[in-house]
Amino acid sequence: KNQVEQSPQSLIILEGKNCTLQCNYTVSPFSNLRWYKQDTGRGPVSLTIMTFSENTKSNGRYTATLDADTKQSSLHITASQLSDSASYICVVISTGNTGKLIFGQGTTLQVKP
Amino acid sequence: NAGVTQTPKFRILKIGQSMTLQCTQDMNHNYMYWYRQDPGMGLKLIYYSVGAGITDKGEVPNGYNVSRSTTEDFPLRLELAAPSQTSVYFCASSYSSRGPDEQYFGPGTRLTVT
Repeated sequence: KNQVEQSPQSLIILEGKNCTLQCNYTVSPFSNLRWYKQDTGRGPVSLTIMTFSENTKSNGRYTATLDADTKQSSLHITASQLSDSASYICVVISTGNTGKLIFGQGTTLQVKP
Repeated sequence: NAGVTQTPKFRILKIGQSMTLQCTQDMNHNYMYWYRQDPGMGLKLIYYSVGAGITDKGEVPNGYNVSRSTTEDFPLRLELAAPSQTSVYFCASSYSSRGPDEQYFGPGTRLTVT
């Protein structure tokens, strides 16, 4: 069964600190992997998109890595800010006509002052 | 561009009532999707559409219906609301289904069925 598992489920860090979120997937065939940020009460917004041939992609203070061999991805947040408090969702896209998205359950990050 | 808009933002239904969740996009996207998000769970695909007049079931279609009469609009219909349909519903759209193509999400509709 195609699955996407994220860890930790939740995380609390102090403002200014770094953190890394993990994503393991079993989706096959694999097209690409995305990280989304979802603020409370809002829809998900894309942070990064990586194909199987890319192993790192940055978007400001967000850096995603992908190891297609071990089927693992991570999202590293540098110098966290209060506005980084949100849920971060790993999404794996399977190939096919519908480009089916398979969502992880998300990691809830809280950044405290 | 307004992007993807959804109405209403919140709704409380009684068991057995019906309602339509509205979704509109102004990006001329061919593909549109409806997802539900339950607490602590990943988003699940309910229905999707690859263009006007074409719809297909996703992972959890039971209890829902959709139509796509125009490129812009993709309403989701609940005919006989059940407590299991209490969830947050997100509409999304994309230009195509190609992997790198972005899916843009609406702000969501929070539905409670009591």
